Amino acid sequence: EAGVTQFPSHSVIEKGQTVTLRCDPISGHDNLYWYRRVMGKEIKFLLHFVKESKQDESGMPNNRFLAERTGGTYSTLKVQPAELEDSGVYFCASSQDIWGLAGGPSYNEQFFGPGTRLTVL
Amino acid sequence: AQSVAQPEDQVNVAEGNPLTVKCTYSVSGNPYLFWYVQYPNRGLQFLLKYITGDNLVKGSYGFEAEFNKSQTSFHLKKPSALVSDSALYFCAVRDMQAGNNRKLIWGLGTSLAVNP
Repeated sequence: EAGVTQFPSHSVIEKGQTVTLRCDPISGHDNLYWYRRVMGKEIKFLLHFVKESKQDESGMPNNRFLAERTGGTYSTLKVQPAELEDSGVYFCASSQDIWGLAGGPSYNEQFFGPGTRLTVL
Repeated sequence: AQSVAQPEDQVNVAEGNPLTVKCTYSVSGNPYLFWYVQYPNRGLQFLLKYITGDNLVKGSYGFEAEFNKSQTSFHLKKPSALVSDSALYFCAVRDMQAGNNRKLIWGLGTSLAVNP
């Protein structure tokens, strides 16, 4: 089974430019997450998709960030225009709920991609 | 506010010795707790989780963690460290504030160095 993949692995852009990051989740996983780790700080949640719908985007820093998941498969995260403070490692993760006999989904672990290291100069 | 603390930036241990990487948490309700590991130039790999049941959880690569509700801790342990265990370890807890929330709250990470 292929894991979560992310593209590109590294991106170096200048302030004011646009960058688009891509994430391909594990096939069949309805849940897709974006996280970011700024150097020296904790990993922070950005948003969560369930299929193509944004379930929770409370962690998106501002309106320069736009995430999409058309068709409920891969997702893109666009930063436009990029600022210096956007530099960091962007992680994507996916998970799948399992519906048990008691009703309601179990909470399963998230599987992470290798990350995209974004450097804004 | 919900949070995770990993009080040690770095842990050094000799190969063959037991290792402990500490994690404490603060959440409302019963916590869902996770450990992940990041090897150099790699993504985050899931190690183990505690959701309910036995307080001692066994995971990948011989790691285990003990959930202690009274101390709000979830320390990661391994009886005998390997040089290949050297990596960055992250503790995380599910955000329980909103109903169907699935986001994780993370510690800062602990760098584990196992010396030969």
